[in-house]
Amino acid sequence: KQEVTQIPAALSVPEGENLVLNCSFTDSAIYNLQWFRQDPGKGLTSLLLIQSSQREQTSGRLNASLDKSSGRSTLYIAASQPGDSATYLCAVKIQGAQKLVFGQGTRLTINP
Amino acid sequence: EPEVTQTPSHQVTQMGQEVILRCVPISNHLYFYWYRQILGQKVEFLVSFYNNEISEKSEIFDDQFSVERPDGSNFTLKIRSTKLEDSAMYFCASIGYTQYFGPGTRLTVL
Repeated sequence: KQEVTQIPAALSVPEGENLVLNCSFTDSAIYNLQWFRQDPGKGLTSLLLIQSSQREQTSGRLNASLDKSSGRSTLYIAASQPGDSATYLCAVKIQGAQKLVFGQGTRLTINP
Repeated sequence: EPEVTQTPSHQVTQMGQEVILRCVPISNHLYFYWYRQILGQKVEFLVSFYNNEISEKSEIFDDQFSVERPDGSNFTLKIRSTKLEDSAMYFCASIGYTQYFGPGTRLTVL
């Protein structure tokens, strides 16, 4: 059974810092991996999607990497801003299945 | 940008009552999903729906739950007899290149 774990559970950093969020998964037979942002009481916004054949994806100040063989992904946020404060969720789509399996998220706070 | 919409945003119900949560997926998408998130816990898959039938469901999705696409635009999740533990945020999603999630319905069972 696929399990997705995110470390740390919470992170608080001053504005302007670069930071890394970690995601690990137990079964490397994935179709793709996505990073989502969730604001309090709101839905999920897709940030980046990495196909299993890809190593990384970039969007603006965000860069996500995927190492399928070791079951790990990282989300790098450059020059963090207070508006980046949210919970970041990692989710994998298993090969041969339709569903996403989510991690528990990292709650990020950027202090002005 | 197209978006998935959900109604109501918040539903309060008494234990044992039936509730119907509604979703309007993105119009040209073919796969639809329901997920739920109990407060403080992970987002969990409930069911996926394709071509007017369930394509996959989790062990959570028991006989108390049903899904329907009553017309060309709406996608509904029905809980027949709600329990306290059904209190959660329920998200609808539809899939194109990626999964687009709706804003969620917060269900509170008293």
